[in-house]
Amino acid sequence: ETGVTQTPRHLVMGMTNKKSLKCEQHLGHNAMYWYKQSAKKPLELMFVYSLEERVENNSVPSRFSPECPNSSHLFLHLHTLQPEDSALYLCASSQDRGGSTDTQYFGPGTRLTVL
Amino acid sequence: AQSVAQPEDQVNVAEGNPLTVKCTYSVSGNPYLFWYVQYPNRGLQFLLKYITGDNLVKGSYGFEAEFNKSQTSFHLKKPSALVSDSALYFCAVRDSDTGRRALTFGSGTRLQVQP
Repeated sequence: ETGVTQTPRHLVMGMTNKKSLKCEQHLGHNAMYWYKQSAKKPLELMFVYSLEERVENNSVPSRFSPECPNSSHLFLHLHTLQPEDSALYLCASSQDRGGSTDTQYFGPGTRLTVL
Repeated sequence: AQSVAQPEDQVNVAEGNPLTVKCTYSVSGNPYLFWYVQYPNRGLQFLLKYITGDNLVKGSYGFEAEFNKSQTSFHLKKPSALVSDSALYFCAVRDSDTGRRALTFGSGTRLQVQP
C-alpha cells in the first residue's frame, strides 16, 4: 500500500464543515481515480483524471469537488455533506496507455463519517 | 454498457480445500477482467487480470482465474485455501468498446475459510 497513500485515514465531520481528502501516488502513473464504497453497494466511480485533466465525471453532486494539481496528487474537497455521504473513499492510480488494459492500484481509503 | 455480477454474497470453505469465487460479466466488445481482494480496513489489492491469450491466468498468493468466453465467466480459484485468504473479493470489468478508463465492480463476495 505504499504505492498509493491517502490522508487522513479517518475523518468525522459535520454537515457544515469543509474538509479535503488527499491522495498521493508514488508509482509514476498518469491517471488517478476517486471511488466511493458504501455499505452493501458496489464501488462507485466518482472522478477520473488523466494527465491532470478530468476525463470522467460520474454525475457526482457538486458538494464533492476534485482537484488534480499534478499527476502524483489528487484531492477531493468536501463541503456541506449529507449523512448518506458517509463511506470509504478510495483513490486509485494507473498508467493510462489509452488501451483500457491498465491495472488500477488502490490506496487504503479514507473512512468518512458525516454527522 | 459494461456490467459484472458476483452471485454469491459469501463463500465458506474449509482450510486446505479448493475454493471458487464466481463472476460473470456483460460487455459489448472484448472484456478486460480483474480480481481484487480487500482485507478489513484496507484498500483493494490487485490479484490478477485477463486481457487476452491463455484463458487461465495466474496471480498473486496462489490465486488463478479461468476466462470462459462462452459462459461469460471469470471465476477465481485456489487449489488449497488458507485461513488468511478470508477477505472480500471483487471482480471488475472494463469493456474494450467503451473507451472508458473506469472499472465496473461487482458487489463483492466474502470468503470465509474455516480452520
